[in-house]
Amino acid sequence: GQQVMQIPQYQHVQEGEDFTTYCNSSTTLSNIQWYKQRPGGHPVFLIQLVKSGEVKKQKRLTFQFGEAKKNSSLHITATQTTDVGTYFCAGFSSGTYKYIFGTGTRLKVLA
Amino acid sequence: DAGVIQSPRHEVTEMGQEVTLRCKPISGHNSLFWYRQTMMRGLELLIYFNNNVPIDDSGMPEDRFSAKMPNASFSTLKIQPSEPRDSAVYFCASSLRYVEPQHFGDGTRLSIL
Repeated sequence: GQQVMQIPQYQHVQEGEDFTTYCNSSTTLSNIQWYKQRPGGHPVFLIQLVKSGEVKKQKRLTFQFGEAKKNSSLHITATQTTDVGTYFCAGFSSGTYKYIFGTGTRLKVLA
Repeated sequence: DAGVIQSPRHEVTEMGQEVTLRCKPISGHNSLFWYRQTMMRGLELLIYFNNNVPIDDSGMPEDRFSAKMPNASFSTLKIQPSEPRDSAVYFCASSLRYVEPQHFGDGTRLSIL
């Protein structure tokens, strides 16, 4: 069945360093969403990507959707302690008509 | 605007007891989702509803789990009988339409002793 994997599983960075998480799907996706979950909190929607090769920016966050629409990445420039949390991608396949959440990347930022 | 409201926030009960989790989606949202989150298995979709109709319950672990949505503003997830391995955080989420961003509730932290 459809699988969505994220790497790395964990990442510790010093405040001010950059961070990237990668999302890889076993099937072609119609769109992909990214969510952030703070420790003890609930997932919060960040962004949705739909087009092949699409790049979107939100302040220090840059999101990319791969040309083949099977992978995506989230890059954070100059991390801050407020970036701490787990970042999930959720890929939607029109074949299965399902959103599958990725395994998540837990980010820890050391001050 | 009120977000997705879940109750209770925490539930501790003994094995074998019936557990009912409740969810009020955002008004006007047509899709509702139930998720289970554990360290081992991550965030799993259990079931989702579209216009109050269950569309896909393939994620429901077994017959002990059941979900209903009697109207557009209320849904329940029931576990009967409960087992220790059901301990997890259960999230309800809603979206305007199925392919739109999902808005999550604060979750119910369930512990089965």
